[in-house]
Amino acid sequence: KAGVTQTPRYLIKTRGQQVTLSCSPISGHRSVSWYQQTPGQGLQFLFEYFSETQRNKGNFPGRFSGRQFSNSRSEMNVSTLELGDSALYLCASSLVRTANGELFFGEGSRLTVL
Amino acid sequence: GESVGLHLPTLSVQEGDNSIINCAYSNSASDYFIWYKQESGKGPQFIIDIRSNMDKRQGQRVTVLLNKTVKHLSLQIAATQPGDSAVYFCAENTMDTGRRALTFGSGTRLQVQP
Repeated sequence: KAGVTQTPRYLIKTRGQQVTLSCSPISGHRSVSWYQQTPGQGLQFLFEYFSETQRNKGNFPGRFSGRQFSNSRSEMNVSTLELGDSALYLCASSLVRTANGELFFGEGSRLTVL
Repeated sequence: GESVGLHLPTLSVQEGDNSIINCAYSNSASDYFIWYKQESGKGPQFIIDIRSNMDKRQGQRVTVLLNKTVKHLSLQIAATQPGDSAVYFCAENTMDTGRRALTFGSGTRLQVQP
């Protein structure tokens, strides 16, 4: 079956703009988590959605937000972009709640902020 | 491919040798651990997991060892192959602000010399 699909794969934005990233989980998976990956900070947890509800949130400012739809697809949004938001944004899905089961990652959305 | 981490610790081994990648985790209350492999330009891929009621778990060519006394986790790869070259992350299931989340280590780069 198809894996986790993230779109777009690459995008370039300028400071102050906003961006929306999309994630389609593996069919049947109800949990979607988002991570930010940078060379300096590694993989950092953003948030987790399960059954359309945010279940957990990492230590990121309110500019980072997300949502999950009834078909389990998820989007994350970053408003008022800063240079430091340049990163690989990874989405992961799992059958059960993230911290109790195996995560399946997508290939990520590479965001560059100029 | 893109760089996952510019200053990751690196383990260099000869093809056919065994590799041991180590990870120190932070939370003594963590009860679930996972190893992930990330190849250049791709998202992390699940390798093997272990729960805290076990000391050792084996998969195909991989073994994970857990030492809860010193909060140490290791991944052993037998007969290392060039395709094993990647960045390896350990992750622990922790209670963070009252909610469970997976926390990832900073990663180790494995380079397999042919």
